[in-house]
Amino acid sequence: KAGVTQTPRYLIKTRGQQVTLSCSPISGHRSVSWYQQTPGQGLQFLFEYFSETQRNKGNFPGRFSGRQFSNSRSEMNVSTLELGDSALYLCASSLTAQETQYFGPGTRLLVL
Amino acid sequence: DQQVKQNSPSLSVQEGRISILNCDYTNSMFDYFLWYKKYPAEGPTFLISISSIKDKNEDGRFTVFLNKSAKHLSLHIVPSQPGDSAVYFCAASTGGYNKLIFGAGTRLAVHP
Repeated sequence: KAGVTQTPRYLIKTRGQQVTLSCSPISGHRSVSWYQQTPGQGLQFLFEYFSETQRNKGNFPGRFSGRQFSNSRSEMNVSTLELGDSALYLCASSLTAQETQYFGPGTRLLVL
Repeated sequence: DQQVKQNSPSLSVQEGRISILNCDYTNSMFDYFLWYKKYPAEGPTFLISISSIKDKNEDGRFTVFLNKSAKHLSLHIVPSQPGDSAVYFCAASTGGYNKLIFGAGTRLAVHP
């Protein structure tokens, strides 16, 4: 079975731009979660989607948003980028809420 | 407010010996605990988990111990191998796996 895939793997943007990251979960997995990893804050939960509905949300500003499609693929969007948004963005999928999450390789975003 | 703490940023162990990684938590509502391993430029890889109804779970060389009264869990790796060198994250959640709260990580170095 293919693992979680994320595209693109690397991205460079400038302040004020917006960015969309994509995540394809493991086949059959319906839950997709997003996390941000930075040196200062560590790994922080952004949000979780299940069957196209956002079920959980972390403590991030409204500039961070996401969605999930009927095939369980998910996208996250960050608008009006700030320097502090430079991070590794990780996507994780699981069968259901009570199953282990498996992580993708991440998208490294650099905001200049 | 750090709900999950890994107080040792790094640990160095000789090959063949036991590695013990520690994690403390403050939220008594956490009912699932997990350990992930992370190599540079990769997403976290699931290692082992434990439910709050148990106090020990084993999987091969990896054993996780949970002490609920002390709000403490530990990961034992026996015997340690050079390939175990990575950053280890402790994570916790309430009511399922989907909103994981991570510790800051401990960098394990296993040397010959």
